[in-house]
Amino acid sequence: EPEVTQTPSHQVTQMGQEVILRCVPISNHLYFYWYRQILGQKVEFLVSFYNNEISEKSEIFDDQFSVERPDGSNFTLKIRSTKLEDSAMYFCASIWGRRGYTFGSGTRLTVV
Amino acid sequence: AQTVTQSQPEMSVQEAETVTLSCTYDTSESDYYLFWYKQPPSRQMILVIRQEAYKQQNATENRFSVNFQKAAKSFSLKISDSQLGDAAMYFCATLIPGTASKLTFGTGTRLQVTL
Repeated sequence: EPEVTQTPSHQVTQMGQEVILRCVPISNHLYFYWYRQILGQKVEFLVSFYNNEISEKSEIFDDQFSVERPDGSNFTLKIRSTKLEDSAMYFCASIWGRRGYTFGSGTRLTVV
Repeated sequence: AQTVTQSQPEMSVQEAETVTLSCTYDTSESDYYLFWYKQPPSRQMILVIRQEAYKQQNATENRFSVNFQKAAKSFSLKISDSQLGDAAMYFCATLIPGTASKLTFGTGTRLQVTL
């Protein structure tokens, strides 16, 4: 069964550093997403991406965040200057039609 | 804005028994989808079951079934013949179709399965 692949599985970074989280969505999916889950809390929507542009973003997704699909297969989330509160599990997901999301296995980001 | 409420932070069930996890939601939309996701300790999000709001028939997937009460905006998950591998966090979520089609999650219910 097709999978959404995320790398790395765990990233440790120093506060103030830039970090890029990478995702390879399922090839025939059209909509791509990033979600965040702070430890012990619910999963929160960050951003949706369709037709090479952001279709919606949440209040969390401020100017420190950006997404792009540089080569038609990878889908990246960049955090420009990480803060301690950015420590969380970040999930990439893709969707085709209305059948539901396929989530990647997540990247655990730890900001120290 | 959509809201999803899971009022049971933790539940416990004995192996082979049945357990029901509660979920209520609030939306003004008429077209929407409902999901239950399982999150084991690995923290991967695994789709358990989905329900289209326009369908009256409750969805079932093997030992998992839902009780969808549209008027009450309730969407509970029943797990029959519980197994040790069912132990996980369970999240209820809604999806409103559209350009974004984003998921709105509840706060989750931690299910323990005991021998």
